[in-house]
Formats: sequence, structure tokens, C-alpha cells
Amino acid sequence: KAGVTQTPRYLIKTRGQQVTLSCSPISGHRSVSWYQQTPGQGLQFLFEYFSETQRNKGNFPGRFSGRQFSNSRSEMNVSTLELGDSALYLCASSSPIGTSGRQGNEQFFGPGTRLTVL
Amino acid sequence: QKEVEQDPGPLSVPEGAIVSLNCTYSNSAFQYFMWYRQYSRKGPELLMYTYSSGNKEDGRFTAQVDKSSKYISLFIRDSQPSDSATYLCAMRRQTNAGKSTFGDGTTLTVKP
Repeated sequence: KAGVTQTPRYLIKTRGQQVTLSCSPISGHRSVSWYQQTPGQGLQFLFEYFSETQRNKGNFPGRFSGRQFSNSRSEMNVSTLELGDSALYLCASSSPIGTSGRQGNEQFFGPGTRLTVL
Repeated sequence: QKEVEQDPGPLSVPEGAIVSLNCTYSNSAFQYFMWYRQYSRKGPELLMYTYSSGNKEDGRFTAQVDKSSKYISLFIRDSQPSDSATYLCAMRRQTNAGKSTFGDGTTLTVKP
């Protein structure tokens, strides 16, 4: 089974621009989560989409947004880029497998998109 | 104070050593506990996934969860140079399926 794919792998933008990142989850996975990873803050949760609806949101400004399509593919958008947005953006997908009333939900990560803001 | 604190490292051990990686947490609502391995310039790879308290073994890896102490550990036996990576602990609540909270990671180097 193919893993989580993210495009593009690398991006260089300048301050004030906007950027769109794409994530294709593992086939059959309906939940897609986005994280930002920086050396200073580690892995920080951005948001989660399930069945085209945002289900969870982290503590990021409104410049960070996302969406999910009917095929579970997801995009995240960052508007008005700042130098501090330089980071590795990771996408993770999971499948809600319920057994004995418990959820599975192991998250599997893609390789990430490395964004550099100049 | 962060919800999840991870021993910062870095950690350097000789090949064949037993490695212990640890995290503490403050949120008693966390029910699922994970360990990820991340190689340089790659995404995190899920190593171990544990529900609630107890031990779980997979090959050379053993994960322990002590919810009463809010403490989790990952043990690596017979460590290999290929184990050199950053190890991240993560945990989440039952109701927040897609939101995991991560430790800052411990960088491990296994020397031949």
C-alpha cells in the first residue's frame, strides 16, 4: 500500500507571498492532520480534517488554513508568509478502526514539505 | 510548562548497548502513546503504539506506559548504528483522534 505523499517536497518563497501544500493520504484513510516542525518548537499540531470537515484545530493564526476534498486529499494554505513560517510541514493520515469500542487511529506521516521563507 | 516533556539528549552509545528513552506528561486524559523515529530530512516513522498502561514488545523495541506516574519509556536492545535517529514520543486523547502532542525529541547516535 502506498504511503502518505506530499507535494512539493521543497519550496522557497518570499515574505508576503502565499503558499499551498498538498497531501495525499494512504488509500482508505479519511483523517488527515497537518503539523509544523521547527527546531525551536518541535512538532506542533495545525489542524485535522475528517470527511471534508475540520475536526480539530491547533493554536495557529488564521493565516494558516486547510481543506479536504471528497477523495480525502488535503491542502493547506499559508497566506502572507513570515520568516518564522520556515519549517517542515508534515501531513499524517489515519483510519478510525474501532475494535471493542476503541479507536485505532495510528497516524502515518508523509515525508514533509520543507518551506523556506526569505 | 509543556504537556509532554522528553529527555532532551543527545544520547551517544556504543553498538550493542541498551538504550532508554523517556517522556513525562501532565494531561491525564492521554490514552494513546506512540513512539516515532525520524531520520534526518525525513518524516516521522511510527515505531510503537500503545493504548493505556502496560508493556508492548516488538523485536528489539519495548514500550512501557505507567499512567499512574504519567511516564512512558522506549527501550532499544542490542542497538545498531542504523538506530541512529531522533526519537519522538507522542500521545493523544481518545476523543482527539487526529491530534497528537509530541515531545521535542531525543537524538540518538549509536557508534560502531
